[in-house]
Amino acid sequence: ELKVEQNPLFLSMQEGKNYTIYCNYSTTSDRLYWYRQDPGKSLESLFVLLSNGAVKQEGRLMASLDTKARLSTLHITAAVHDLSATYFCAVDSNSRGGSEKLVFGKGTKLTVNP
Amino acid sequence: NAGVTQTPKFRVLKTGQSMTLLCAQDMNHEYMYWYRQDPGMGLRLIHYSVGEGTTAKGEVPDGYNVSRLKKQNFLLGLESAAPSQTSVYFCASSAHGGRTSYSNQPQHFGDGTRLSIL
Repeated sequence: ELKVEQNPLFLSMQEGKNYTIYCNYSTTSDRLYWYRQDPGKSLESLFVLLSNGAVKQEGRLMASLDTKARLSTLHITAAVHDLSATYFCAVDSNSRGGSEKLVFGKGTKLTVNP
Repeated sequence: NAGVTQTPKFRVLKTGQSMTLLCAQDMNHEYMYWYRQDPGMGLRLIHYSVGEGTTAKGEVPDGYNVSRLKKQNFLLGLESAAPSQTSVYFCASSAHGGRTSYSNQPQHFGDGTRLSIL
């Protein structure tokens, strides 16, 4: 059974600082997603990582995937208040193809303080 | 450009009542999903569908039924609501589900339905 763990679950940081959110998963998968959720809102797709070594960047966020270590990271550079949200990683549990049965981590609630 | 639309947005039920949540997508997606989100739990898959007329169980299917009579619609039913089913329900759809295509399309989510069961 696939398990996905994120840490930290809560992160309070100052504007301008850097930090990394970690996503570990327990079984083989080469498809990982990062989503953002604002309070009371839907989930917004940030990154899709499809292979070992994949790295994607959008603005102050950069995501990477190491399938051998079963680890993805979401790095925040020079945080700004607008990045305050909950971030989820999700891993495709179906290693033999078929549906995208995603297993989500519990989320990291990020608060960026002035 | 509606994307994924969920109806209703809010609902309060009494224990034992039944109701149906509707999800509609206008992106011609094959795959559709129902999740529930509870505080501190992330999202958990209830049921999913890989095409019109098909459904399958996810991680937490007990107490729910689903139907996919039309490609664009995916219905989630609660036959006899229980307080443990108080949650936010999200519907999602995706363009494909297989590894035959290495498309980078993620699942697209609706705005959610907040359901309270008293």
